Amino acid sequence: AQSVTQLGSHVSVSEGALVLLRCNYSSSVPPYLFWYVQYPNQGLQLLLKYTSAATLVKGINGFEAEFKKSETSFHLTKPSAHMSDAAEYFCAVSESGGGADGLTFGKGTHLIIQP
Amino acid sequence: DAGITQSPRYKITETGRQVTLMCHQTWSHSYMFWYRQDLGHGLRLIYYSAAADITDKGEVPDGYVVSRSKTENFPLTLESATRSQTSVYFCATRPGATPLHFGNGTRLTVT
Repeated sequence: AQSVTQLGSHVSVSEGALVLLRCNYSSSVPPYLFWYVQYPNQGLQLLLKYTSAATLVKGINGFEAEFKKSETSFHLTKPSAHMSDAAEYFCAVSESGGGADGLTFGKGTHLIIQP
Repeated sequence: DAGITQSPRYKITETGRQVTLMCHQTWSHSYMFWYRQDLGHGLRLIYYSAAADITDKGEVPDGYVVSRSKTENFPLTLESATRSQTSVYFCATRPGATPLHFGNGTRLTVT
């Protein structure tokens, strides 16, 4: 069975500092991996996805993530945090990438940006 | 505008009452999903549907019923609401091998 572990339920960084949100996955097959962002009182929006093409994936709003098979990780980074990045971030895994596979989500990481 | 509409956005109900959460999509995506979001649990899949009249259980289906008579609608019914079903409920769709698209959620409180 697939699973996702997000390390740190809350991460606090200063504006302009590096953002690093950690995600480790477990999957019996080569996975599809996703990062979603959730702003208050809204649904989840896709930030980026890994589908076995390039291991370094670039997403929206300056975020990127690197797939490391040896470490079973898919950490999310952004070089310089902005106040508007404050939100909840979810890592998710899929073993089929589509169809009835509804994704398995991590428990989320709340990103706090300090001025 | 095309997208997913969930209604109501907020609902307060009493223990034992039946309540239905609505989900409507304008894309005609084949797959639709219901998730619940709880602090400390992330999102957990309740039910999903591959097409009209085809539904299946997810991770936490107990206490919920779904139907899908039309492609665009996927209502979720709590037949006899319990306090443990207080949560934020998200509907999502997918046309095929693409990421999920989410609605804005329904915040349900069971008193």
